[in-house]
Amino acid sequence: NAGVTQTPKFRVLKTGQSMTLLCAQDMNHEYMYWYRQDPGMGLRLIHYSVGEGTTAKGEVPDGYNVSRLKKQNFLLGLESAAPSQTSVYFCASRLQEYTDTQYFGPGTRLTVL
Amino acid sequence: EDQVTQSPEALRLQEGESSSLNCSYTVSGLRGLFWYRQDPGKGPEFLFTLYSAGEEKEKERLKATLTKKESFLHITAPKPEDSATYLCAVQAWAIGAGSYQLTFGKGTKLSVIP
Repeated sequence: NAGVTQTPKFRVLKTGQSMTLLCAQDMNHEYMYWYRQDPGMGLRLIHYSVGEGTTAKGEVPDGYNVSRLKKQNFLLGLESAAPSQTSVYFCASRLQEYTDTQYFGPGTRLTVL
Repeated sequence: EDQVTQSPEALRLQEGESSSLNCSYTVSGLRGLFWYRQDPGKGPEFLFTLYSAGEEKEKERLKATLTKKESFLHITAPKPEDSATYLCAVQAWAIGAGSYQLTFGKGTKLSVIP
């Protein structure tokens, strides 16, 4: 039982390049989340999903897209990366609506030059 | 708008020197308050959930308490391995989202010196 895993761990992009971050969970959780963490700021929600095939916007969704084609995977895409998207990205999952704890992955450190 | 404020931003303790971290919050319809531990380069690790004022939970040297406006994370006789950033988050119903969401504080960075 690996829990929540994220790929890749590190990535450096040039402005304008695109990439996809992969989050996978093996706990059969319905809910999945993407957060970003920046120095001096709390974790901020980018997008989330309440089940396979669903996605919704969080607090800071601009510049990102997501997809949840399979229950166990949640993808975060950057179509045209900008330096402001330099951050550490965390994926989290939660079992269902009436269970509360979110479990986090190890993070992806992204630098956009 | 839900707000979570953690203090202090950073705390240095000698090994064995007990202290408390504070998390104050303003939220409409609190469902739960969460404490996470985050080590450098790692994801947040769940510690506690508190649901109602007066509730307390303990884990080893850590004890979390909750009032109607704030939560405390008490650290008794800390050891160097307790050094980490401690995050507080409140869970409340997000009307626009149609589900419960977490709002995080900025964290308290704890350093325990041998």
